[in-house]
Amino acid sequence: DSGVTQTPKHLITATGQRVTLRCSPRSGDLSVYWYQQSLDQGLQFLIQYYNGEERAKGNILERFSAQQFPDLHSELNLSSLELGDSALYFCASSAPGGGLANNEQFFGPGTRLTVL
Amino acid sequence: GQNIDQPTEMTATEGAIVQINCTYQTSGFNGLFWYQQHAGEAPTFLSYNVLDGLEEKGRFSSFLSRSKGYSYLLLKELQMKDSASYLCAVRGSNYQLIWGAGTKLIIKP
Repeated sequence: DSGVTQTPKHLITATGQRVTLRCSPRSGDLSVYWYQQSLDQGLQFLIQYYNGEERAKGNILERFSAQQFPDLHSELNLSSLELGDSALYFCASSAPGGGLANNEQFFGPGTRLTVL
Repeated sequence: GQNIDQPTEMTATEGAIVQINCTYQTSGFNGLFWYQQHAGEAPTFLSYNVLDGLEEKGRFSSFLSRSKGYSYLLLKELQMKDSASYLCAVRGSNYQLIWGAGTKLIIKP
């Protein structure tokens, strides 16, 4: 158990709908990362938040948005869903660290989204 | 551009040794990570290298050569449970992780 929680575990919805995925980081971690992983594909970095502020953006579609709340939990909102959005969505967190510190990312169990 | 290359798939025999290579071209370098990911599960951290040389951790070792932009993960005494994907990730100059596509390792009895 990494200490990162994600809800829900599974989500089945229809095209055109909107869903919200939730993530709670490990206690003490300030950074939250969101990743998308389609079947048999690599991890695609979507976005990072640090202590409530957006820190970095990856290949995140305009239909997707995220935020990190004062209690440090984060939500990823996916709207106007398409069949191709079906994937595993992982959240990860890491401790504050500077320089070359080994502040590895700890991953949650993921949310499996199926768009029908 | 930034690029990380790993073989797509490798096959090895139970009890043997396998080496998974990773080459990278990134803007800056602030460490390299190896993660293991079983199918449908979350990636889990295996190792971290920031200086040249070999880091050993039980059956797993990771090597880094910064001048060559090269790393490898060495797995010894392979077990069936080692069947998984192995992800190489480099932390670039902006301290963001750049992920390779992963190497799927198949262990045969």
